[in-house]
Amino acid sequence: ETGVTQTPRHLVMGMTNKKSLKCEQHLGHNAMYWYKQSAKKPLELMFVYSLEERVENNSVPSRFSPECPNSSHLFLHLHTLQPEDSALYLCASSQRRTQGAIYEQYFGPGTRLTVT
Amino acid sequence: RKEVEQDPGPFNVPEGATVAFNCTYSNSASQSFFWYRQDCRKEPKLLMSVYSSGNEDGRFTAQLNRASQYISLLIRDSKLSDSATYLCVVNEGNTGKLIFGQGTTLQVKP
Repeated sequence: ETGVTQTPRHLVMGMTNKKSLKCEQHLGHNAMYWYKQSAKKPLELMFVYSLEERVENNSVPSRFSPECPNSSHLFLHLHTLQPEDSALYLCASSQRRTQGAIYEQYFGPGTRLTVT
Repeated sequence: RKEVEQDPGPFNVPEGATVAFNCTYSNSASQSFFWYRQDCRKEPKLLMSVYSSGNEDGRFTAQLNRASQYISLLIRDSKLSDSATYLCVVNEGNTGKLIFGQGTTLQVKP
């Protein structure tokens, strides 16, 4: 499936590196999301870009910085990460209405990040 | 109390068995409910949305009980390929935020 793509699929980086994760959706959706999935834990929402508004999870450290240049592209910029940031980072997109029930989200394949 | 709670399992069942998963959620204002399936080291994929009247898709049946804040997924005639983790997902009130349960692991054995 090519609805939501993510690059790179795997990334190993040192704690002093700077890298970026890229996500692209081809579904015509108006909302995009970054999630973190660590072993044995539920998915954690990190950031939402929806209807030109950005919503953050206040517990996300500032070493993660999102960028959404348009409704089809989403980036996650990484700098001075810690080993505990090693996880699967998933991008998702959905169609979002301004109120009421929301539509389902579709996920990309994820970037498996290892911080050494 | 967790926002979305699931029995992590694992559920080990033989092929052909019927298995049911349950999920409870804490926010009574939630309006959207889903079941996702996640295979090992892969992304979650939408299995089905859950509607108030209950809905069925082939061997899969989802039920919603708003009064008890409870969602269920029934799988009939289990196949080996049904082995995966099943995630219960609920939206946070009126927001666009989805809350994921920890997932229930199913292992179907020959």
